Amino acid sequence: EVQLVESGGGLVKPGGSLRLSCAASGFRFSDYSMNWVRQAPGKGLEWVSSTDVTTNYIYYADSVRGRFTISRDNAKNSLYLQMNSLRVEDTAVYYCVKEEGDTGGKGGWFDSWGQGSLVTVSS
Amino acid sequence: DIVVTQSPDSLTVSLGERATINCKSSQSLLFTSNNKNYLAWYQHKPGQPPKVLIYWASTRASGVPDRFSGSGSGTDFTLTINSLQAEDVGIYYCQQYYSTLLAFGQGTRLEIK
Repeated sequence: EVQLVESGGGLVKPGGSLRLSCAASGFRFSDYSMNWVRQAPGKGLEWVSSTDVTTNYIYYADSVRGRFTISRDNAKNSLYLQMNSLRVEDTAVYYCVKEEGDTGGKGGWFDSWGQGSLVTVSS
Repeated sequence: DIVVTQSPDSLTVSLGERATINCKSSQSLLFTSNNKNYLAWYQHKPGQPPKVLIYWASTRASGVPDRFSGSGSGTDFTLTINSLQAEDVGIYYCQQYYSTLLAFGQGTRLEIK
């Protein structure tokens, strides 16, 4: 059974930093692209970032590019999101998501999700 | 960037009836090399992570009841839920994966009348 467990969320002041981690199990982590998706309070789902299996291809939403960094450690079956220069509008539940699909170099759909980690940015 | 827009924003349907949710893309999601539409649908219930229902615009994910179906091609897509059940209440999202800059629609809230 696929399991994705996020950790590292919490309360941080505007301008601060936080690092989210995601521990993966139940599948061959090194074979799959991985993503972060967030949901702000009362808002819809927003894709944040994706990485391919080797981190050669990494993409970010415009809203976080230059402030957030996605990374992975295939030996540890772990995905990370380093969040710097945090803003109030970054307040959200952050989901670690496994990507699926042989899509010819394009994106993929999300077949497994963690339970989410709440990040609150407030003074 | 590819933008996907859903309609309506909310929907109220009686038990046993049909619910229809639309998703329109700013660019075609049909990849001519494989003749596939790069669109997925998700169901999101409070307190749970989202769940994929449909991918490739019309392929049901494993374990999804056959009352859920997806259709459409190019820029216009539809999620249809037949014989609506009480457990179908939630928010539904479409997602395009044609671009590596992935994107969700704004969501459609489905309620029972």
